Amino acid sequence: IAGITQAPTSQILAAGRRMTLRCTQDMRHNAMYWYRQDLGLGLRLIHYSNTAGTTGKGEVPDGYSVSRANTDDFPLTLASAVPSQTSVYFCAPPGAPLHFGNGTRLTVT
Amino acid sequence: GDSVTQMEGPVTLSEEAFLTINCTYTATGYPSLFWYVQYPGEGLQLLLKATKADDKGSNKGFEATYRKETTSFHLEKGSVQVSDSAVYFCALSGGGSQGNLIFGKGTKLSVKP
Repeated sequence: IAGITQAPTSQILAAGRRMTLRCTQDMRHNAMYWYRQDLGLGLRLIHYSNTAGTTGKGEVPDGYSVSRANTDDFPLTLASAVPSQTSVYFCAPPGAPLHFGNGTRLTVT
Repeated sequence: GDSVTQMEGPVTLSEEAFLTINCTYTATGYPSLFWYVQYPGEGLQLLLKATKADDKGSNKGFEATYRKETTSFHLEKGSVQVSDSAVYFCALSGGGSQGNLIFGKGTKLSVKP
């Protein structure tokens, strides 16, 4: 997605480990969203932030946390990864992006 | 809450066949509606959208009409090609306090030559 950078692009993580997925934007969006995409389930909202300093829970928030210390950064943290968190993760701006990019592909073993 | 239901796949068609992928929604207020496409190995791309009742979105030969009376946004194409093989996602953006997109589960389309 133009103006939004996610890192890493992929990661293999042992169960029980802590992991932070980074999301940085330079488009000054107030609202930002984290989704996960699983086969057969489409994209589901994990957490969102309407503005710096505020966050909210989406459809599937359990096992994840987010922070929004400033407008540009919106990291997603898995405190203790489990195999069911194997997925592709997308950080997205408000509205309907033209392209979601490749996201972060996370495999928890 | 808001939700999107789309037809189960996979859908397999021969080249030049007519395509319909059904999508219905439940929403409070007046959502905007979208179709996304995901080609193998790629990320989701916006295919078309409609922002109000009776609007028709179109792109690459695909069309969908926002039907408020039937709460539907069915995707159609008159003549599919092998290159249309992909997963198609219906989505809505209802606004509200979250303002996120809500997606259907996706429909996999395979077009055979």
